Parts: sequence; C-alpha cells; structure tokens
Amino acid sequence: GEDVEQSLFLSVREGDSSVINCTYTDSSSTYLYWYKQEPGAGLQLLTYIFSNMDMKQDQRLTVLLNKKDKHLSLRIADTQTGDSAIYFCAQNNNDMRFGAGTRLTVKP
Amino acid sequence: ETGVTQSPTHLIKTRGQQVTLRCSSQSGHNTVSWYQQALGQGPQFIFQYYREEENGRGNFPPRFSGLQFPNYSSELNVNALELDDSALYLCASSFSPSTEAFFGQGTRLTVV
Repeated sequence: GEDVEQSLFLSVREGDSSVINCTYTDSSSTYLYWYKQEPGAGLQLLTYIFSNMDMKQDQRLTVLLNKKDKHLSLRIADTQTGDSAIYFCAQNNNDMRFGAGTRLTVKP
Repeated sequence: ETGVTQSPTHLIKTRGQQVTLRCSSQSGHNTVSWYQQALGQGPQFIFQYYREEENGRGNFPPRFSGLQFPNYSSELNVNALELDDSALYLCASSFSPSTEAFFGQGTRLTVV
C-alpha cells in the first residue's frame, strides 16, 4: 500500500475550522510535515512535528500526532479563502514520502 | 538569505531528447533532493545529494541522473525522454538529509 494516505478533497465555509487527516506507515520517521501547494507553484513548508511530540500549535495551525495509530492531522482555525490549496502530508527518513494531497476548497 | 531557485521554469522537449534542470540550494544547506510531481499526484522522490554524493535514490530508472557541485547547487539530467516524463520537477534543499526541506518553484517539463 501507499506510504502516506490522505483523503483527496475537503470543502469548508470561510471562518470554519478545517481538519485534514493523514495516515503513514513508517513509525521510524523522525519528523512529519505539512506542505501547502498553490496552483502552478512549488511546495511551501507550513509546519512540522517531531515524532516524540503529540501536538504542536503555530498561530492558526494545530498539528496532532497519534503515533500508536500512525495518524497525523492538520487543523486550520478560521479558514480563509486564501487557504484554498492542496495540502500534503509527508514523512521523512532521509527521503521524503508524500501523500497524494488533499485539495481544500474554502467557500465564501 | 535566498531561497531555493530552479531553472528553467518551463521547458518543452521532444521524445528521445535529453534535458538538464538546475537548482540553487538555500544558503547554508548542503543537501538537495529532487522530486517528480505528475499532474494530480504527490511528489515522488527521485534522489538526494548530500555533500556532492548521492545519498539515496527512489524508484527511477538510470536515465535519471544527477550532480551536486561544491557550492551545493545541483543538476538533474534525464536522457531518452519519454512522454510520461512530463511533470513538475521539484528541487528541495535542507540543512541535512533528515531535516525539513524547502522547495523551489519547480520546472514544468512537457515532452511531446
């Protein structure tokens, strides 16, 4: 199966919270990452979490890590139209393995 | 501090030709990784260079090759281009092989 799996689509209303979920396979990953990609652009590092943490908060972003279930989530509070993009979860053990990406659509 | 820059931004090549893509790493970074992102998919790891040596390779054929230079910039070479090589090629640099990677804007390669 795939190393990293994500649901493909998420649609929310402006001002709501968005939660993007990810499952991964490699329990030895030191870091887990969230990247954002806007149309026609490269990947922008949003945040990352060290594998011995279970939560990290950075302004509107909250990352939750459940190592037992190998589940990672990204919560975006007060989602704005500018948050519309594709979000990738990735695990890193010298080579970074990405999910297929979740396309977040924010409706006014 | 400059970020990761890639050139060219767009490129059209004919099947069977060869192509070279270039990447300048972020200042202070000694590790460069290359990824292929096909339309609608996540990036796939091609290979990584650390201090001018290949430091890992994904599931790509030998016609995908690379170099890293003493200033830590890098090249990706693809020989005998196939139609399926059409993709966005992303370069990422990092302080070390296992730390967070910062991506360039990519080179969009179209093979016709």
